[in-house]
Amino acid sequence: NAGVTQTPKFQVLKTGQSMTLQCAQDMNHNSMYWYRQDPGMGLRLIYYSASEGTTDKGEVPNGYNVSRLNKREFSLRLESAAPSQTSVYFCASTPSGVSYNEQFFGPGTRLTVL
Amino acid sequence: AQSVTQLDSQVPVFEEAPVELRCNYSSSVSVYLFWYVQYPNQGLQLLLKYLSGSTLVKGINGFEAEFNKSQTSFHLRKPSVHISDTAEYFCAVSDGRGSQGNLIFGKGTKLSVKP
Repeated sequence: NAGVTQTPKFQVLKTGQSMTLQCAQDMNHNSMYWYRQDPGMGLRLIYYSASEGTTDKGEVPNGYNVSRLNKREFSLRLESAAPSQTSVYFCASTPSGVSYNEQFFGPGTRLTVL
Repeated sequence: AQSVTQLDSQVPVFEEAPVELRCNYSSSVSVYLFWYVQYPNQGLQLLLKYLSGSTLVKGINGFEAEFNKSQTSFHLRKPSVHISDTAEYFCAVSDGRGSQGNLIFGKGTKLSVKP
């Protein structure tokens, strides 16, 4: 079991470029999440997907889009990157059928937008 | 809406000293609470969780936390810290919607253990 995997680990973009962050989990989890982590801000939820075929906005969705490609994969797209999107991005997943939403995290993608 | 407050953004402590990292949450009918640890340049991993039952919860690496419903707190403790405990610690509460919902995270406490 690899758990939650994220690619790439590091990325540098120029303002206006686009890119897609990939996330996959092999634990047969239903729910998946994208967070961003900034110093002193903790983790802020960007988007989440409670099940295959559904996505919902979180606290900070502006400038991002997501795709729940199948049960395993949940991607995050930056259409036109801005320096304010420089951050560490984490993907997470939660098993189905539990009431308490324990989340399992990937190792993160460190993104710098110049 | 649920909220989580971690009262200290940074906690410096000497090796082998005890430590307490404080966490308060907004009240709810039922609550599930978590502590996660993030070592430098890594993702978050679960340290411990409170779901029900005994209010004293034991986790990995010698950490424990006590759920106090009347004070709406879930403080994390370790009787003797090691250099390797240097990390950022996040308290989180479930928003009550189960697997359809989310975790609400505090802003984190950076624990720095000095020799």
